[in-house]
Order: sequence, then structure tokens, then C-alpha cells
Amino acid sequence: AQSVTQLGSHVSVSEGALVLLRCNYSSSVPPYLFWYVQYPNQGLQLLLKYTTGATLVKGINGFEAEFKKSETSFHLTKPSAHMSDAAEYFCAVTAPEYGNKLVFGAGTILRVKS
Amino acid sequence: EADIYQTPRYLVIGTGKKITLECSQTMGHDKMYWYQQDPGMELHLIHYSYGVNSTEKGDLSSESTVSRIRTEHFPLTLESARPSHTSQYLCASSPKDRENSPLHFGNGTRLTVT
Repeated sequence: AQSVTQLGSHVSVSEGALVLLRCNYSSSVPPYLFWYVQYPNQGLQLLLKYTTGATLVKGINGFEAEFKKSETSFHLTKPSAHMSDAAEYFCAVTAPEYGNKLVFGAGTILRVKS
Repeated sequence: EADIYQTPRYLVIGTGKKITLECSQTMGHDKMYWYQQDPGMELHLIHYSYGVNSTEKGDLSSESTVSRIRTEHFPLTLESARPSHTSQYLCASSPKDRENSPLHFGNGTRLTVT
């Protein structure tokens, strides 16, 4: 089974609309979860991470994600999309069963329409 | 502002040539990684190192090799480039003493083998 599944390789929203990027993971123990963003011709930049504690995690640029153990999900949201949010977003997980190495999803390209 | 540097950013080279992709970081991180990134696919770990003189192969089989003679430097070498090696290569690092610290990525090298 795939370790990290991102539903939707492309998501398109209007400027000002809600952004929802979905991520589901498979792990037998609570993992550590990350969202990264990649702007064109750049490397990946950390948006936010969940390790322990509060399940709602706030990141940079107004993004947040909620760890839901029962749903094995870590969806990324932003209340109001901005043109500058157009990028590719990667969900990633690390857990002992992965040798504590980071495993990435296939990415979701977010397009923001004016 | 990147603390991890990759050169060259773009490389177009003919089949059979030997190439070295450079990666250097100024953060004193012990752990360094090489990922291969293709459009619409997960980032695949091809090599990693947890310190000087320590290198391991990642989850994706690769014909490339790496070395770690100095903490800050983690070059990747292809002895004989082939068109199948065409891809984007991302270097990353993280501190060893903090479990599950996020990775810091360079801006990548986009390699095209003709």
C-alpha cells in the first residue's frame, strides 16, 4: 500500500476561495507528518509539521492542517487563496516502519484563478 | 534564502559523459540526502548520509554514487550518463540530534541527458 496518498494531482480554486489539499497516510503507529511547498524552479520549503500534541497545526502563509488519527488524514487548508499560493504541495510522513526516513506523496499542483 | 546550495541548476549533457552534481550546506547538519523528482511522481530517496564517511542507498535504485568526505559537502556522481537519468535531483539536509527535524532543501539540479 502506498505510504502517502494525495488525492488530486491538480486542484484549481478562485482567488479568495477555500483551499483544501487532501493527504492520507498509512502507518501502524502515529507518524510525524509534514507539508512542503515547491514554487517553480525552487526546492521544497516546509509549510508546517505535526509531531505530537495539538492536532491542529498552523504553518506559514496562513496554511494549517489537522491530524485525524481515526481517518489517517492530514489535510491542508487555507481559508482564502491568494495568487501567490500557486505552487506544488507535497505531503510527507516519517515513522519507524519507514526507517524514520521521510516518504513523500506525489504532490498536488494548486492553481489559483483570478 | 538557501543555506543549502546545489550546482549546476541546469545541465544538458550527452550520453556516456561523467557528471557530478554538487551539494553543499552551511548549517553544520550531519544528515544529508539526495532525492530524484519526476513530474507527477513522489520524490524518491536515492542516497543518504548520516555523517562523514557514511553513505547509504535509498529506496529507489540508482546508478549514481555519492561521497561524504566533509560534513558540508555531499556530491552525487554519474559515471556514464544515460537518457533515463534525465530528472530533477534535489539535495536536502537535517540536523542529526533532533529526531524528525524537517529537511532543508536546495533549489535542485535539472539534468537532461541527450
